[in-house]
Amino acid sequence: QSVLTQPPSVSGAPGQRVTISCTGSSSNIGAGYDVHWYQQLPGTAPKLLIYRNINRPSGVPDRFSGSKSGTSASLAITGLQAEDEADYFCQSYDSSLSALVFGGGTKLTVL
Amino acid sequence: QLQLQESGPGLVKPSETLSLTCIVSGGSISSSNYYWGWIRQPPGKGLEWIGSIYYSGSAYYNPSLKSRVTISADTSKNQFSLKLSSVTAADTALYYCARPAVAGLYSDNWGQGTLVTVSS
Repeated sequence: QSVLTQPPSVSGAPGQRVTISCTGSSSNIGAGYDVHWYQQLPGTAPKLLIYRNINRPSGVPDRFSGSKSGTSASLAITGLQAEDEADYFCQSYDSSLSALVFGGGTKLTVL
Repeated sequence: QLQLQESGPGLVKPSETLSLTCIVSGGSISSSNYYWGWIRQPPGKGLEWIGSIYYSGSAYYNPSLKSRVTISADTSKNQFSLKLSSVTAADTALYYCARPAVAGLYSDNWGQGTLVTVSS
């Protein structure tokens, strides 16, 4: 059971928009700690996709965007492409656990 | 270009100690802007933070693993290490080293990962 809750899977057709939610609590996201998102393509290490809630590292397409409100955060992907098919993880910090915490991950399938 | 490379045995016997090293190139682990950490991923499962260390030597561990984990850093060799004692099959995972930023705690650089299997 992960501290941050993500849907196990989402899917969408090429060109569509999908969102992935990340739900936490008052000791992590709700406490104001930043949320970060990682993309893990099959057989590779996670790659930073969004940091500090809304920021994209250099080289990440603007089709990817992040948002945060209350005890939740979301990753949105517009103009879905086949190459976006991957696992996506959210991450934050939990003050009750004094630990970095991850969501369980969401598998994105491009139909 | 910063690179992190994990090294260590791929097979560890139950009850023994897992030892991994992360060699850092293209940057210094003495940077005040970053921690250096370990994250693992059991096959087919999600990510779990193991712990992180600052160049000063201050280390922070996941409470669920704290009794078994030691992370150390060798600034002269620009590398840091993980020791996990009393391993069981549940510790079988891909082990990644990564660089969490001090401001924000996000990891912008990861090693490729090394699979460690716990089996007799």
